Amino acid sequence: AQSVSQHNHHVILSEAASLELGCNYSYGGTVNLFWYVQYPGQHLQLLLKYFSGDPLVKGIKGFEAEFIKSKFSFNLRKPSVQWSDTAEYFCAVNEGSNYQLIWGAGTKLIIKP
Amino acid sequence: KAGVTQTPRYLIKTRGQQVTLSCSPISGHRSVSWYQQTPGQGLQFLFEYFSETQRNKGNFPGRFSGRQFSNSRSEMNVSTLELGDSALYLCASSLGPGTGGNNEQFFGPGTRLTVL
Repeated sequence: AQSVSQHNHHVILSEAASLELGCNYSYGGTVNLFWYVQYPGQHLQLLLKYFSGDPLVKGIKGFEAEFIKSKFSFNLRKPSVQWSDTAEYFCAVNEGSNYQLIWGAGTKLIIKP
Repeated sequence: KAGVTQTPRYLIKTRGQQVTLSCSPISGHRSVSWYQQTPGQGLQFLFEYFSETQRNKGNFPGRFSGRQFSNSRSEMNVSTLELGDSALYLCASSLGPGTGGNNEQFFGPGTRLTVL
């Protein structure tokens, strides 16, 4: 069965630090990849997604992610974090458009002001 | 445009009872998916309904069931509750089935179920 691994369950950074959250998946075929974010007290919302084409995907709020097929990875990055980026981040994968998402366990990000 | 709404927001039940959760999708959305979220586990897919038909089901026991009505509203039922069913139950709606292309899922606030 396909699985998604997010290696860091908790990350604490200071404002202006650079961010990289890891995501690895196990499926070897064609995949669609997603990052979702859940801000405190808010609903889950889509940050960015990859379906095909340029493996470097840009999302909202300055986030980007790079799909590296050979490493089965889809890491999330932001060059300079802000206090408002404090949230829980989820990586998700599907193995085709007709299938539902398989989710990672999430990474709680805390930004110190 | 109103978002996805879920009722109730909080629920406390005892073991052996049953519970029904409700989800109203965004107007015009015909697909509703249900997920169980527990700390450290992420989201686990329960099932997806599209046009009143269950089109996809996750790996949960038969105690978990759902349905969708003609107005796309969906309900989820859990019978014979167990302590391990305590979780946040999330509903997501989308225009069409699946998660491909531009078919983005929009999530509701969830129903927090506590089983004592």
